[in-house]
Amino acid sequence: LAKTTQPISMDSYEGQEVNITCSHNNIATNDYITWYQQFPSQGPRFIIQGYKTKVTNEVASLFIPADRKSSTLSLPRVSLSDTAVYYCLVGEAHSSASKIIFGSGTRLSIRP
Amino acid sequence: GAGVSQSPSNKVTEKGKDVELRCDPISGHTALYWYRQSLGQGLEFLIYFQGNSAPDKSGLPSDRFSAERTGGSVSTLTIQRTQQEDSAVYLCASSQPGSPLHFGNGTRLTVT
Repeated sequence: LAKTTQPISMDSYEGQEVNITCSHNNIATNDYITWYQQFPSQGPRFIIQGYKTKVTNEVASLFIPADRKSSTLSLPRVSLSDTAVYYCLVGEAHSSASKIIFGSGTRLSIRP
Repeated sequence: GAGVSQSPSNKVTEKGKDVELRCDPISGHTALYWYRQSLGQGLEFLIYFQGNSAPDKSGLPSDRFSAERTGGSVSTLTIQRTQQEDSAVYLCASSQPGSPLHFGNGTRLTVT
């Protein structure tokens, strides 16, 4: 399983764009990059998944450079409700054939 | 539709007692995961069930921890002779092939 490295914490303000970068130098050819979001007192929930280039949904965008050794989760115009812990995972796409390991995540705090 | 349900939501027990934590996964999900999360920390993988295959128990911290999944559905995590360091939130997730993990809201275990 590819190890991931992401910042422990980040701060930003309402209305700003927030970019959280994740490093995964030993990502395998078949691996996808997946991000989960966890609010206090809740389990994590899926945000976005990608393999290369750019993926966008109603919540976020995911940018993956050509070498795939890192990825950036982009949250446009954040609000206070985006305060959460964000986890970057690398592995087979939504695979239920193996265990899924979470790292420590990035604790994002949004201020008014 | 119904999500992953965990019970109890909170459990306080005395050191040395046994506890059972229950997880009702989403119907039809073949994979089931247990994680532990200490205060302010990331998710620690405990055990993973996939269909009728032998579970991956590689994350269980000691032989005081065990888990079962009956009939491919409900799972019970048992902690024997609880210790204070077992205090944490225990999270359950389920998934089906090609889909992300769906988490419950966890059981907060406090060992006094």
